[in-house]
Amino acid sequence: DTAVSQTPKYLVTQMGNDKSIKCEQNLGHDTMYWYKQDSKKFLKIMFSYNNKELIINETVPNRFSPKSPDKAHLNLHINSLELGDSAVYFCASSQARDRGPINLNTEAFFGQGTRLTVV
Amino acid sequence: AQSVTQLDSQVPVFEEAPVELRCNYSSSVSVYLFWYVQYPNQGLQLLLKYLSGSTLVESINGFEAEFNKSQTSFHLRKPSVHISDTAEYFCAVKGTYKYIFGTGTRLKVLA
Repeated sequence: DTAVSQTPKYLVTQMGNDKSIKCEQNLGHDTMYWYKQDSKKFLKIMFSYNNKELIINETVPNRFSPKSPDKAHLNLHINSLELGDSAVYFCASSQARDRGPINLNTEAFFGQGTRLTVV
Repeated sequence: AQSVTQLDSQVPVFEEAPVELRCNYSSSVSVYLFWYVQYPNQGLQLLLKYLSGSTLVESINGFEAEFNKSQTSFHLRKPSVHISDTAEYFCAVKGTYKYIFGTGTRLKVLA
């Protein structure tokens, strides 16, 4: 009954390869995210999707292409992997604030992360 | 633009001693503030959050944080830490369709 699950947990690959990371949430949230955590633990937003629509693309190289087939899934495909892509990638989800009364469930729920190592 | 500053990158503290992890935020709109904890090789778990109402919020494992609007701070405290509290702690503010994180504070509890 994992809320946000991403696969694989570990990914080791050579430079130049193409790889995908999958993410699924069963919380009924309408917003999903990809974050990158570097070796210094800094967390940076990459993408956010709301109702399958791309909302934020935070100056990510176009080698990274997110795909949201439905509200519960947000996958990340990376082309031509580079050494600098090595990091931990986190998927997350949340419920966007309603137009009406404050939505109390405003926190993001995170997956366990995918440690990508490019050699 | 919204931002979060965590002033301490590392905080060593002896077991059963009190600890405070500092967080300051910048925001021109109403803020939703969070503390997350990350244990080694794991994802982020919500520790506590401030949305509105009482400025003092508590977690189930003894942590508390106080929202101070005049000082734009949301410091995390625990009166007595355990070895198991050793982890990375992140302060975050909710933006528009994103969460903005501080650089993290590594809490190391010493026996």
